[in-house]
Order: sequence, then structure tokens, then C-alpha cells
Amino acid sequence: NAGVTQTPKFRILKIGQSMTLQCTQDMNHNYMYWYRQDPGMGLKLIYYSVGAGITDKGEVPNGYNVSRSTTEDFPLRLELAAPSQTSVYFCASSARQTKNSPLHFGNGTRLTVT
Amino acid sequence: GESVGLHLPTLSVQEGDNSIINCAYSNSASDYFIWYKQESGKGPQFIIDIRSNMDKRQGQRVTVLLNKTVKHLSLQIAATQPGDSAVYFCAESTGGGNKLTFGTGTQLKVEL
Repeated sequence: NAGVTQTPKFRILKIGQSMTLQCTQDMNHNYMYWYRQDPGMGLKLIYYSVGAGITDKGEVPNGYNVSRSTTEDFPLRLELAAPSQTSVYFCASSARQTKNSPLHFGNGTRLTVT
Repeated sequence: GESVGLHLPTLSVQEGDNSIINCAYSNSASDYFIWYKQESGKGPQFIIDIRSNMDKRQGQRVTVLLNKTVKHLSLQIAATQPGDSAVYFCAESTGGGNKLTFGTGTQLKVEL
């Protein structure tokens, strides 16, 4: 059982470049989330989705875009990379609303923007 | 704004001792709390959760205590082992349950 899989594990971008962080889950979870974690900090929610075709902003959405065309996949897009987006990005999924079902996390993508 | 925070950034304990990790929250409307464990290079791993209608919940070697009066949450780990060394985060649900607010984390170090 793979759970939540994120690719790539590491990436270095130059300022202004774009990239897509991939996330897929095989647990048939409706809810999916993207968080970022800065050094020594907790996780901050970027975007989330409650099902295919539905996405919503989290706490720090600026500079990012998401799509949810299937239940399994929830890619995160950076259009114009900036140094402030250097962080570790975690994708997560849950079966139901957070209050009823804990999140399952992937192992993260470490992104450096220089 | 509303926040969840931890009292101690680093906690060192001897192997076999009990560990207590504390967390303060400020949103009195929060009704669901979770503890996560994060090992180096990995994503957070669910440990235990508790709803606001409870004040204590036990798992395997772990106990979570919730004191709503003072908005305080704690994680107790019995007989701490080297494999327990990690960063521990508390988190609370807000806004109807689709979003979690995380604390900054406590580093637990287990000394042999």
C-alpha cells in the first residue's frame, strides 16, 4: 500500500522558473491538501480539495495553483518561482473531514529557489 | 490571530523514562486535536487524536490529555525509546474541520 506519493523528492529552481509538484494517493480519499513547512516551523496550508473538481485556498495560496481532475491526483503548480517559496512541500489526504479523519502525509518535496 | 503553539522547543529524556510534550492553543472554538510525529526527511505521521468532548485518550504507549479550561493539550509517551526521537506537532481543526492549524513543533531527544 503506497499511501501518498510525492515527486520529485528534491528540486532546485531558478527565480522565475515554473514547475509542478506531483501528488497521488491510492487510498481513494476524497480530501487532499498541500502544506509547506519552513525550517523550524509548523506546516501551513496552501490549498485543499474536498473532491475531484473542487479546490479551495488555504492560509498561504499566493504564488501557487492547484487542480483536481481525478480523486487520486492533486498537483501543485508554481508559475514564477521566488526565493520565498524555498520550503519543504507536503501533500496529504484524508477520507473525510479533518475532524473525523486524520491526515496521511507523503514524504515531501524539498524545493530550493535561487 | 488564532494559533497553536508549543511551550518547549526541545525535550531531552532518558531511555525508559516517560515524556510529556505540551501544547497551548488559543482558539476556544477548536473541537478536534491531533498529535503528529515527524522523523527527519519524512512526512508527519499520525499518533493520536482527541475530540473536545473528551479530556483523555489512550493509545499504545501514548496518552493525550485535553484541558479546555486553560486551552492546553499534552502528549505523554510511556517508556520512551530511541525510536521515539523526532519532532512532535500538535494541530487543531478550524473552520468546520477541513483545515488544520499546526504548532511549531517540539524536538524530542532520547538519550541512551
